[in-house]
Amino acid sequence: KNQVEQSPQSLIILEGKNCTLQCNYTVSPFSNLRWYKQDTGRGPVSLTIMTFSENTKSNGRYTATLDADTKQSSLHITASQLSDSASYICVVSLDSNYQLIWGAGTKLIIKP
Amino acid sequence: DAGVIQSPRHEVTEMGQEVTLRCKPISGHDYLFWYRQTMMRGLELLIYFNNNVPIDDSGMPEDRFSAKMPNASFSTLKIQPSEPRDSAVYFCASSPPDREILTGELFFGEGSRLTVL
Repeated sequence: KNQVEQSPQSLIILEGKNCTLQCNYTVSPFSNLRWYKQDTGRGPVSLTIMTFSENTKSNGRYTATLDADTKQSSLHITASQLSDSASYICVVSLDSNYQLIWGAGTKLIIKP
Repeated sequence: DAGVIQSPRHEVTEMGQEVTLRCKPISGHDYLFWYRQTMMRGLELLIYFNNNVPIDDSGMPEDRFSAKMPNASFSTLKIQPSEPRDSAVYFCASSPPDREILTGELFFGEGSRLTVL
């Protein structure tokens, strides 16, 4: 069964600290993996996309990694800011047809 | 450039009433999606259109739900009759023309929060 699991479910850290969010998937055939950020009361916004051949990709203070062998991805946030408080959702695309498998998301709270 | 526009942002209605949610996709985007988001189930795809034609409506929960896209700049999602379990945030998203839709990024609207009493 195609599934995307994210951990932790929620996370609280102090402003300025780093954190890492995890995404494990059992999706086949794999096409790509995206991380979305969803602010409270808003729609999700894409942060980055990882294809099969990519291991690491950065977008400012966000760094995503992908290990296609273990089917794991992580999103690392450096020097967190209050504006990073949001839900972060991992989405995996199937290669065989149009289908997106969405994770349940990690709710991140940054405290001053 | 304006993003995906949804209306209403909030809707409170009573069980049995008809609800119509509206969406204007980003100009030039060929794909339009309707999603439902709840705490329990996360984001669920209800239906998507390509060039105004419904491609996959397997996520539409029941016959009470229907969606139309009469032209490239407008779509509606209708629930009739509404039930309390339909309470959720409904998102519309669009995506640009892409031969490999699998790599396409979805651009979401702000959502319509529906509460059915």
